[in-house]
Amino acid sequence: DQQVKQNSPSLSVQEGRISILNCDYTNSMFDYFLWYKKYPAEGPTFLISISSIKDKNEDGRFTVFLNKSAKHLSLHIVPSQPGDSAVYFCAASAQAGTALIFGKGTTLSVSS
Amino acid sequence: GAVVSQHPSRVICKSGTSVKIECRSLDFQATTMFWYRQFPKKSLMLMATSNEGSKATYEQGVEKDKFLINHASLTLSTLTVTSAHPEDSSFYICSARDSTGGHGAYEQYFGPGTRLTVT
Repeated sequence: DQQVKQNSPSLSVQEGRISILNCDYTNSMFDYFLWYKKYPAEGPTFLISISSIKDKNEDGRFTVFLNKSAKHLSLHIVPSQPGDSAVYFCAASAQAGTALIFGKGTTLSVSS
Repeated sequence: GAVVSQHPSRVICKSGTSVKIECRSLDFQATTMFWYRQFPKKSLMLMATSNEGSKATYEQGVEKDKFLINHASLTLSTLTVTSAHPEDSSFYICSARDSTGGHGAYEQYFGPGTRLTVT
C-alpha cells in the first residue's frame, strides 16, 4: 500500500511559468512533509519542508502548501528555471526519528 | 549545511564477492542513518534503519544476512553486500539524520549514492 503518492510521473513547463507538483498521502499520522530534488546518479537534495501545524511554507521561489483535510500537499516553483529540471520526491514522516516514506517522484522538465 | 558522503561512488564487482559501502556524516552527528536502494525509474526504497551502537532494523523483504549494516560511530555507517549477485546491481543511497533535534529530527540528508554493478 502506497502511503505517499505522486500521481503525475512527469510535468513539462516553460521557463518563467509556475510549476506545481502534487502529492497525496493516506496516513493521517504523518506530521512532517518534505520535498527533495534529485538529479540522475546523485543523492536527493533537501528542498523545503512543512510541519502539519502549518498550511504554507515559503522559501524563495519554492512554496509548499499543505491541505490536511484533503491529505494533499503541493510544491509551487515560480518562476521555473531550466535548472529546476530534475525528479522531485515528496516524503512524509509520522514520527521524529523514523524513516521517511517517499513517493515515486515526478520528473519536471523546464524548457527555455 | 549538513553533508553526507558515500564511498565508493561507483563499484564493479564479480558475482559471489562482497562489497562494502561507507556512509559518513561530515559535519554533524547522526545516531540514525538510513539505507535506500533505487532501481531505474523507481522511487527510493528503504532497506534498513541503522542505529548507532545497536542492530539495524530491516524492512520487510530485505535479507539482513545479505545486507550487513554496521553503525559503529555517530558519523559512520557501513553497508556490506555479501555474496553479491547481478540482481543486487542498483544505486544505493544512504541518509543521515542530525541528532540535535528540532526539525533535524525529521529532515534527512542524503549521500551522493553508490552505483553497484555485479558482473
